[in-house]
Amino acid sequence: EVQLVESGGGLVQPGGSLRLSCTASGFTFSDHWMHWVRQVSGKGLEWVSRINTDGTYTHHAESVKGRFTISRDNAKDTLYLQMDSLRAEDTAVYYCILERHSGDYWGQGTPVTVSS
Amino acid sequence: EIVMTQSPATLSVSPGERATLSCRASQSVSRFSAWYQQKPGQAPRLLIYDASTRATGTPARFSGSGSGTEFTLTISSLQSEDFAVYYCQQHSTWPRTFGQGTKVEIK
Repeated sequence: EVQLVESGGGLVQPGGSLRLSCTASGFTFSDHWMHWVRQVSGKGLEWVSRINTDGTYTHHAESVKGRFTISRDNAKDTLYLQMDSLRAEDTAVYYCILERHSGDYWGQGTPVTVSS
Repeated sequence: EIVMTQSPATLSVSPGERATLSCRASQSVSRFSAWYQQKPGQAPRLLIYDASTRATGTPARFSGSGSGTEFTLTISSLQSEDFAVYYCQQHSTWPRTFGQGTKVEIK
């Protein structure tokens, strides 16, 4: 059974950093592109970042470019999102997403709150 | 980026009735669209991908149609568990974008 478990969210001050992790199981992690998507409470969904199978290609939304970095460790079946220079507007639930031909699969999300 | 526009924002439907949700893309996405269901406190759940393919576990009362810029999600006979927010999404080009959602509420 496919599972994606996000962790690392929490409360951080503006300007601070957090690293989110997404531990995968139930599929061959190294065969799939992976993504991060976020959702501001009660509002819309925004695609944040994506990474190819071996980590050599990454792409970030303009809103986070230069501040967020997506990476992966295929030996550990884990996806990461390093978030630096955090702002209040980054407050959201962050979801890890498995891209696959049979439709994307989402984790349950980890909340991030940026506030002083 | 491609803008996805959903209508209506809220749909009031009685249990057992049919619900039709619409989504329009600002430019063609071919058949690369999807529909998600989200209930309070939960992650979005994929219902339909590639415009009309039901994801594993999606009940047959959910159907998707359309191509290019116009897409529709139909729920043939609403059950109590179907009252939720529904999002359309395009996966044709980066960044993947979502509609703003349609809330299906009990009439």
